[in-house]
Amino acid sequence: EVQLVESGGGLVQPGGSLRLSCAASGFTFRDYWMSWARQAPGKGLEWVAHINPDGSETYYVDSVMGRFTISRDNAKNSLYLQMNSLRVEDTAVYSCARGHWWLGLWGQGTLVTVSS
Amino acid sequence: DIVMTQSPDSLAVSLGERATINCKSSQSVLYSSNSQNYLAWYQHKPGQPPKLLMYWASTRESGVPDRFSGSGSGADFTLTISSLQAEDVAVYYCHQYYSIPRTFGQGTKVEIK
Repeated sequence: EVQLVESGGGLVQPGGSLRLSCAASGFTFRDYWMSWARQAPGKGLEWVAHINPDGSETYYVDSVMGRFTISRDNAKNSLYLQMNSLRVEDTAVYSCARGHWWLGLWGQGTLVTVSS
Repeated sequence: DIVMTQSPDSLAVSLGERATINCKSSQSVLYSSNSQNYLAWYQHKPGQPPKLLMYWASTRESGVPDRFSGSGSGADFTLTISSLQAEDVAVYYCHQYYSIPRTFGQGTKVEIK
Protein backbone atom coordinates (compact mmCIF):
# COMPACT_ATOMS: atom_id res chain seq x y z
CA GLU A 1 0.00 0.00 0.00
CA VAL A 2 1.25 3.43 -0.92
CA GLN A 3 1.38 5.47 2.27
CA LEU A 4 3.15 7.97 4.45
CA VAL A 5 3.10 7.67 8.23
CA GLU A 6 4.30 10.46 10.49
CA SER A 7 5.51 10.14 14.07
CA GLY A 8 7.31 12.14 16.71
CA GLY A 9 4.78 14.79 17.60
CA GLY A 10 3.93 15.78 21.14
CA LEU A 11 3.88 18.53 23.74
CA VAL A 12 7.00 20.69 24.02
CA GLN A 13 7.78 23.92 25.84
CA PRO A 14 8.59 27.11 23.96
CA GLY A 15 12.25 27.08 22.99
CA GLY A 16 12.33 23.30 22.92
CA SER A 17 13.09 20.85 20.13
CA LEU A 18 11.32 17.98 18.44
CA ARG A 19 12.17 15.66 15.56
CA LEU A 20 9.41 14.43 13.31
CA SER A 21 9.72 11.34 11.13
CA CYS A 22 7.79 10.20 8.10
CA ALA A 23 7.96 6.59 6.95
CA ALA A 24 7.22 6.00 3.29
CA SER A 25 6.09 2.72 1.77
CA GLY A 26 4.64 1.38 -1.45
CA PHE A 27 6.64 3.59 -3.81
CA THR A 28 10.26 4.32 -4.74
CA PHE A 29 10.97 6.95 -2.11
CA ARG A 30 14.38 7.93 -3.47
CA ASP A 31 12.82 9.09 -6.75
CA TYR A 32 10.63 11.79 -5.23
CA TRP A 33 10.91 15.28 -3.84
CA MET A 34 9.25 15.33 -0.42
CA SER A 35 7.56 18.07 1.56
CA TRP A 36 6.36 19.00 5.03
CA ALA A 37 3.21 21.03 5.50
CA ARG A 38 1.26 22.02 8.60
CA GLN A 39 -2.17 23.08 9.72
CA ALA A 40 -2.55 25.13 12.87
CA PRO A 41 -5.76 24.63 14.88
CA GLY A 42 -8.67 26.22 13.04
CA LYS A 43 -6.41 27.46 10.26
CA GLY A 44 -5.62 26.48 6.69
CA LEU A 45 -2.75 24.58 5.14
CA GLU A 46 0.79 25.99 5.18
CA TRP A 47 3.80 24.67 3.29
CA VAL A 48 6.84 24.34 5.55
CA ALA A 49 9.71 22.86 3.54
CA HIS A 50 10.72 20.51 0.78
CA ILE A 51 13.77 18.48 -0.19
CA ASN A 52 15.02 17.03 -3.44
CA PRO A 53 15.49 13.28 -4.02
CA ASP A 54 19.15 13.07 -2.98
CA GLY A 55 18.83 15.55 -0.11
CA SER A 56 21.15 18.15 -1.61
CA GLU A 57 18.53 20.88 -2.03
CA THR A 58 16.22 22.18 0.68
CA TYR A 59 13.76 25.07 0.77
CA TYR A 60 11.83 26.59 3.67
CA VAL A 61 9.11 29.06 4.44
CA ASP A 62 10.64 32.17 6.02
CA SER A 63 8.97 31.66 9.40
CA VAL A 64 10.93 28.44 10.06
CA MET A 65 14.20 29.29 8.29
CA GLY A 66 17.15 28.75 10.60
CA ARG A 67 15.03 26.84 13.14
CA PHE A 68 13.78 23.81 11.18
CA THR A 69 15.81 21.36 9.12
CA ILE A 70 14.34 18.94 6.60
CA SER A 71 16.36 15.82 5.80
CA ARG A 72 15.91 12.32 4.47
CA ASP A 73 17.43 8.84 4.59
CA ASN A 74 16.68 7.07 1.33
CA ALA A 75 18.06 3.78 2.66
CA LYS A 76 15.39 3.87 5.36
CA ASN A 77 12.63 5.37 3.16
CA SER A 78 12.29 8.12 5.72
CA LEU A 79 11.83 11.87 5.82
CA TYR A 80 12.59 14.01 8.85
CA LEU A 81 11.90 17.46 10.22
CA GLN A 82 14.17 18.67 13.02
CA MET A 83 12.43 21.52 14.79
CA ASN A 84 14.42 23.73 17.16
CA SER A 85 13.61 26.94 19.04
CA LEU A 86 9.93 26.07 18.86
CA ARG A 87 7.38 28.82 19.31
CA VAL A 88 3.75 28.76 20.39
CA GLU A 89 2.80 29.66 16.82
CA ASP A 90 4.42 26.42 15.56
CA THR A 91 1.57 24.47 17.16
CA ALA A 92 -0.02 22.48 14.33
CA VAL A 93 -0.60 19.12 12.76
CA TYR A 94 2.49 18.41 10.65
CA SER A 95 2.10 16.25 7.58
CA CYS A 96 4.60 14.89 5.14
CA ALA A 97 3.65 14.82 1.49
CA ARG A 98 5.05 13.44 -1.72
CA GLY A 99 6.16 15.96 -4.30
CA HIS A 100 7.25 19.57 -4.45
CA TRP A 101 4.92 20.82 -7.11
CA TRP A 102 1.47 19.35 -6.49
CA LEU A 103 1.35 17.15 -3.38
CA GLY A 104 -0.11 13.89 -4.56
CA LEU A 105 0.10 11.83 -1.38
CA TRP A 106 -0.22 13.00 2.22
CA GLY A 107 0.20 11.34 5.56
CA GLN A 108 -2.35 11.61 8.36
CA GLY A 109 -0.15 14.00 10.26
CA THR A 110 1.28 14.27 13.76
CA LEU A 111 0.27 16.93 16.27
CA VAL A 112 2.90 19.26 17.69
CA THR A 113 1.81 21.40 20.62
CA VAL A 114 4.12 24.13 21.86
CA SER A 115 2.98 25.35 25.24
CA SER A 116 4.29 26.09 28.69
CA ASP B 1 5.18 35.76 -1.71
CA ILE B 2 2.21 34.87 -3.88
CA VAL B 3 -1.01 35.38 -1.94
CA MET B 4 -3.84 33.01 -2.84
CA THR B 5 -7.35 34.30 -2.11
CA GLN B 6 -10.36 32.03 -2.36
CA SER B 7 -14.00 32.99 -2.56
CA PRO B 8 -16.36 32.40 -0.99
CA ASP B 9 -15.10 31.28 2.41
CA SER B 10 -18.03 28.90 2.60
CA LEU B 11 -20.99 27.86 0.51
CA ALA B 12 -24.03 25.66 0.92
CA VAL B 13 -25.32 23.88 -2.15
CA SER B 14 -28.23 21.49 -2.61
CA LEU B 15 -27.48 17.90 -3.52
CA GLY B 16 -27.14 17.57 -7.28
CA GLU B 17 -26.53 21.27 -7.79
CA ARG B 18 -23.37 23.00 -8.97
CA ALA B 19 -20.72 24.31 -6.58
CA THR B 20 -18.18 26.86 -7.77
CA ILE B 21 -15.07 27.92 -5.88
CA ASN B 22 -12.85 30.74 -7.05
CA CYS B 23 -9.14 31.26 -6.44
CA LYS B 24 -7.19 34.38 -7.28
CA SER B 25 -3.41 34.67 -7.05
CA SER B 26 -1.62 37.96 -6.35
CA GLN B 27 0.51 37.38 -9.44
CA SER B 28 0.27 35.11 -12.44
CA VAL B 29 1.19 31.46 -11.93
CA LEU B 30 1.32 30.83 -15.67
CA TYR B 31 4.82 29.85 -16.75
CA SER B 32 5.24 31.21 -20.25
CA SER B 33 7.91 28.74 -21.38
CA ASN B 34 5.56 25.74 -21.13
CA SER B 35 2.16 27.50 -20.96
CA GLN B 36 1.31 25.68 -17.77
CA ASN B 37 -0.50 27.11 -14.78
CA TYR B 38 1.29 26.04 -11.61
CA LEU B 39 -1.87 25.55 -9.59
CA ALA B 40 -3.41 22.59 -7.76
CA TRP B 41 -6.65 21.93 -5.90
CA TYR B 42 -7.14 19.74 -2.81
CA GLN B 43 -10.10 18.36 -0.92
CA HIS B 44 -9.73 18.08 2.85
CA LYS B 45 -12.20 16.18 4.99
CA PRO B 46 -12.06 16.14 8.81
CA GLY B 47 -9.80 13.43 10.17
CA GLN B 48 -8.37 12.63 6.75
CA PRO B 49 -5.28 13.84 4.90
CA PRO B 50 -5.80 16.31 2.07
CA LYS B 51 -6.56 14.71 -1.27
CA LEU B 52 -5.18 16.04 -4.55
CA LEU B 53 -7.96 16.79 -7.02
CA MET B 54 -6.34 18.81 -9.80
CA TYR B 55 -2.90 19.90 -10.95
CA TRP B 56 -1.79 22.14 -13.80
CA ALA B 57 -5.06 23.92 -12.93
CA SER B 58 -7.25 21.54 -14.94
CA THR B 59 -5.69 18.06 -14.99
CA ARG B 60 -7.77 15.71 -12.90
CA GLU B 61 -5.82 13.38 -10.62
CA SER B 62 -6.35 9.69 -11.29
CA GLY B 63 -9.48 8.39 -9.57
CA VAL B 64 -11.09 11.80 -9.05
CA PRO B 65 -14.71 11.78 -10.26
CA ASP B 66 -15.37 13.73 -13.44
CA ARG B 67 -17.92 15.93 -11.68
CA PHE B 68 -14.85 17.84 -10.48
CA SER B 69 -13.30 20.19 -13.00
CA GLY B 70 -10.74 22.97 -12.89
CA SER B 71 -10.44 25.99 -15.13
CA GLY B 72 -8.75 29.34 -15.43
CA SER B 73 -5.37 30.75 -16.32
CA GLY B 74 -2.90 33.35 -15.18
CA ALA B 75 -4.22 34.57 -11.85
CA ASP B 76 -7.88 33.50 -11.83
CA PHE B 77 -9.00 29.95 -11.34
CA THR B 78 -12.16 28.00 -10.61
CA LEU B 79 -12.95 24.59 -9.18
CA THR B 80 -16.40 23.36 -10.15
CA ILE B 81 -18.34 20.44 -8.74
CA SER B 82 -21.00 19.90 -11.37
CA SER B 83 -23.43 17.88 -9.25
CA LEU B 84 -22.74 18.00 -5.53
CA GLN B 85 -22.79 14.69 -3.69
CA ALA B 86 -22.95 14.14 0.05
CA GLU B 87 -19.38 12.84 0.08
CA ASP B 88 -18.12 16.14 -1.37
CA VAL B 89 -18.65 17.97 1.93
CA ALA B 90 -15.16 19.19 2.75
CA VAL B 91 -12.83 22.17 2.74
CA TYR B 92 -11.23 22.88 -0.62
CA TYR B 93 -7.86 24.58 -1.08
CA CYS B 94 -6.05 26.01 -4.06
CA HIS B 95 -2.26 25.89 -4.03
CA GLN B 96 0.39 27.56 -6.16
CA TYR B 97 3.65 25.78 -6.91
CA TYR B 98 4.98 28.48 -9.21
CA SER B 99 7.40 29.91 -6.65
CA ILE B 100 8.88 29.56 -3.18
CA PRO B 101 7.29 29.79 -0.71
CA ARG B 102 4.52 27.53 -1.87
CA THR B 103 1.23 29.02 -0.71
CA PHE B 104 -2.34 27.89 -0.24
CA GLY B 105 -5.62 29.69 -0.31
CA GLN B 106 -7.43 30.07 3.00
CA GLY B 107 -9.88 27.31 2.12
CA THR B 108 -13.53 27.15 1.11
CA LYS B 109 -15.93 25.06 3.18
CA VAL B 110 -18.58 23.29 1.11
CA GLU B 111 -21.73 22.12 2.86
CA ILE B 112 -25.10 20.71 1.90
CA LYS B 113 -28.02 23.11 1.84
